[in-house]
Amino acid sequence: EVQLVESGGGLVQPGGSVRLSCAASGFTFSSYWMSWVRQAPGKGLEWVANIKQDGSQTNYVDSVKGRFTISRDNAKNLLYLQMNSLRVEDTAMYFCARPDLGWGQGILVTVSS
Amino acid sequence: EIVLTQSPGTLSLSPGERATLSCRASQRVRNNYLAWHQQKPGQAPRLLMYGASSRATGIPDRFSGSGSGTDFTLTISRLEPEDSAVYFCQQYGYAPDTFGQGTKLEIK
Repeated sequence: EVQLVESGGGLVQPGGSVRLSCAASGFTFSSYWMSWVRQAPGKGLEWVANIKQDGSQTNYVDSVKGRFTISRDNAKNLLYLQMNSLRVEDTAMYFCARPDLGWGQGILVTVSS
Repeated sequence: EIVLTQSPGTLSLSPGERATLSCRASQRVRNNYLAWHQQKPGQAPRLLMYGASSRATGIPDRFSGSGSGTDFTLTISRLEPEDSAVYFCQQYGYAPDTFGQGTKLEIK
């Protein structure tokens, strides 16, 4: 059974940083591109970033370029999202996801003073 | 960026009826890399279909997907009360992945 479990969110001040982690199991993690997707309160889904199987290629939505970094550790089956220079508008549930495998339960990041 | 437009915005049907949800892309979706997700209030999205017509693990066969190119459809036959949710389509054929705005399905 595919499982994706996020951790690391919480309340952060504007300008602050946080690192999200996603523990993957039930599939061959190193064989798949992986993504982070977010959902602001009451809003739709927004793709944030993805990373190639070996980590050699990454893509980001324009609004997070230069502030967020996606990475992975295939030996530990872990996906990461390092979020720096956070803004109030980054407040959202963040999901680890793969379009053809499923979603994690999500982790809330709240950016507020 | 591929824009996905879902219709209708809201659908209100009775148990036992059939629901037909549409997702139209602004350009062809490579390899029909189109997924459908169901989201209930306060829950994470749940994968229903991928590759336009492949059912995800554990999804009942009342759910089916069809279409290719720019026009895709999710059909839910024999609606049940628990099908009440918002349904999103997603294309993952070209970066960036994009989502439709969602169709809210209400069961009367």
